[in-house]
Amino acid sequence: EAQVTQNPRYLITVTGKKLTVTCSQNMNHEYMSWYRQDPGLGLRQIYYSMNVEVTDKGDVPEGYKVSRKEKRNFPLILESPSPNQTSLYFCASSLAGGLETQYFGPGTRLLVL
Amino acid sequence: RKEVEQDPGPFNVPEGATVAFNCTYSNSASQSFFWYRQDCRKEPKLLMSVYSSGNEDGRFTAQLNRASQYISLLIRDSKLSDSATYLCVVNKPAAGNKLTFGGGTRVLVKP
Repeated sequence: EAQVTQNPRYLITVTGKKLTVTCSQNMNHEYMSWYRQDPGLGLRQIYYSMNVEVTDKGDVPEGYKVSRKEKRNFPLILESPSPNQTSLYFCASSLAGGLETQYFGPGTRLLVL
Repeated sequence: RKEVEQDPGPFNVPEGATVAFNCTYSNSASQSFFWYRQDCRKEPKLLMSVYSSGNEDGRFTAQLNRASQYISLLIRDSKLSDSATYLCVVNKPAAGNKLTFGGGTRVLVKP
């Protein structure tokens, strides 16, 4: 089944404790991205990747890191989480870029205390 | 002004009725427009792309008005299963065609 998977789905952590949210897709997509969704603000792009080893900042990259060592995986790293990073995070992938259909993962709900 | 604005709703719609709502965008250079559907606490899924001449997919009709910079979505013969949040999505040509999402319009279809 073609899909985007994210882990963990739910996470409660404390300020400053490094965490990684994994994202994997099995559709051989070139383009992957991370979004956060907050009430009243819609989805905002954090980082995106056009291809392996190519990543770039989205609209709200502060406090996040990403890497794209393999085509299928695009982990999101929070080196020192803070309470304002409490949010619902979605990973997405598409065939070639922003104009293609975006396939979203199921989301990761993060609470930073 | 937000780049993409939507009425958050909710639009309370009797089953079988028609509902329509708009989304305005600020970037006149945008060329690609989409409607995504998001069920409560779930991931967004593409509902339909919006073409210049307008397009229809079953009970759903999307229109683009470039002069006034808005797109619209109309749902005919509403079903209970149409209850969801509808996200308007617009591309940013000057930013590598990244996408900007609106905050969503919530639709509640009631029996």
